[in-house]
Amino acid sequence: AQSVTQPDIHITVSEGASLELRCNYSYGATPYLFWYVQSPGQGLQLLLKYFSGDTLVQGIKGFEAEFKRSQSSFNLRKPSVHWSDAAEYFCAVGASDKLIFGTGTRLQVFP
Amino acid sequence: KAGVTQTPRYLIKTRGQQVTLSCSPISGHRSVSWYQQTPGQGLQFLFEYFSETQRNKGNFPGRFSGRQFSNSRSEMNVSTLELGDSALYLCASSLEGVGFSGNTIYFGEGSWLTVV
Repeated sequence: AQSVTQPDIHITVSEGASLELRCNYSYGATPYLFWYVQSPGQGLQLLLKYFSGDTLVQGIKGFEAEFKRSQSSFNLRKPSVHWSDAAEYFCAVGASDKLIFGTGTRLQVFP
Repeated sequence: KAGVTQTPRYLIKTRGQQVTLSCSPISGHRSVSWYQQTPGQGLQFLFEYFSETQRNKGNFPGRFSGRQFSNSRSEMNVSTLELGDSALYLCASSLEGVGFSGNTIYFGEGSWLTVV
């Protein structure tokens, strides 16, 4: 069955530090992969997506993600975190006309 | 270009009542999906409509239903509300749906439903 795992429920980083959020997926075919961000009380904003081609994907707000088929991973990275990045981050795989989401990682940023 | 618009944003209902939520997709988008978000279950797929036809459905009871109109606007209805239906209901739109390469899925701000 298709699934997405985000192993880290909560991550805390200092402003200016680098960030990596982990995502592992289980899907039989070539996956469509997404990262979304959700601020409190808000909907989901798309950060980036992977469909095919270059495995390093650039997104908005300085985020990037790398698709590694051998590891079934699609980790999200940012070289320098800003306080405004504090939010919840969701990884998702597109499967059969629906998105399957991970449980999310809450990012806290300290000044 | 206007985004995905959901109404109402907040509502409170009593157990046993029914509720209808509305979603206007981005202009030109024909696929509309609905998701339920709760602290316990996370984000779960409810159903997806494309050109007025339900194309996919998640594992929710029959109390949850939806429809799509010819202008692609969509509504979802929950009948006989239960306390556990309290959630953020998110609508998502795309040109043709998740399964089509290159399709970006855009979400609305959601409708917060509280059942008391």
